[in-house]
Amino acid sequence: TQLLEQSPQFLSIQEGENLTVYCNSSSVFSSLQWYRQEPGEGPVLLVTVVTGGEVKKLKRLTFQFGDARKDSSLHITAAQTGDTGLYLCAGFRSYIPTFGRGTSLIVHP
Amino acid sequence: DAGVTQSPTHLIKTRGQQVTLRCSPISGHKSVSWYQQVLGQGPQFIFQYYEKEERGRGNFPDRFSARQFPNYSSELNVNALLLGDSALYLCASRDTPAANTGELFFGEGSRLTVL
Repeated sequence: TQLLEQSPQFLSIQEGENLTVYCNSSSVFSSLQWYRQEPGEGPVLLVTVVTGGEVKKLKRLTFQFGDARKDSSLHITAAQTGDTGLYLCAGFRSYIPTFGRGTSLIVHP
Repeated sequence: DAGVTQSPTHLIKTRGQQVTLRCSPISGHKSVSWYQQVLGQGPQFIFQYYEKEERGRGNFPDRFSARQFPNYSSELNVNALLLGDSALYLCASRDTPAANTGELFFGEGSRLTVL
């Protein structure tokens, strides 16, 4: 059973388009992190959200943590080819992370 | 500064064999955790070690074991390999496991293929 459900699983878009990736759970998490993983490499942290309702912006990326701390979203504005990769959400409980299955994003020029 | 290093990067084993994977954390980091990433899925937590003690264990069979050395490096051992053990094994380090907000720094992984 996947505790963290990510959607969509795959996303193929054109450069300049906007997109949103969702991370949902029935469980409450102490914090949630978003990572990006490129082929042949390990995941790299993008952001950590801790407070319910929190919104963080990182240039063209906007991250939101749900009020109940059970879900999160990642919104990318004006996607670029460099945004291509696997986006992973990870929820923390008792210091142990649970990762979602990931959203594979391909941005075409 | 060197990041998390893992070895070997690729290896091929046959069913029933045993494998040892190695990980060196970022200098100053005392916690190491191991993950299995099957193609098309996110990383699944296997173990977490801090100060040479196991601090967390995921839902993996006893064929999987690990240890952490005084220099904070770590080894993951898998016995009696099965075809389903084929995956990318990731190691991550952090300065302390006692936080739900600390960044996990991942290595590039060890790609294991079981034939």
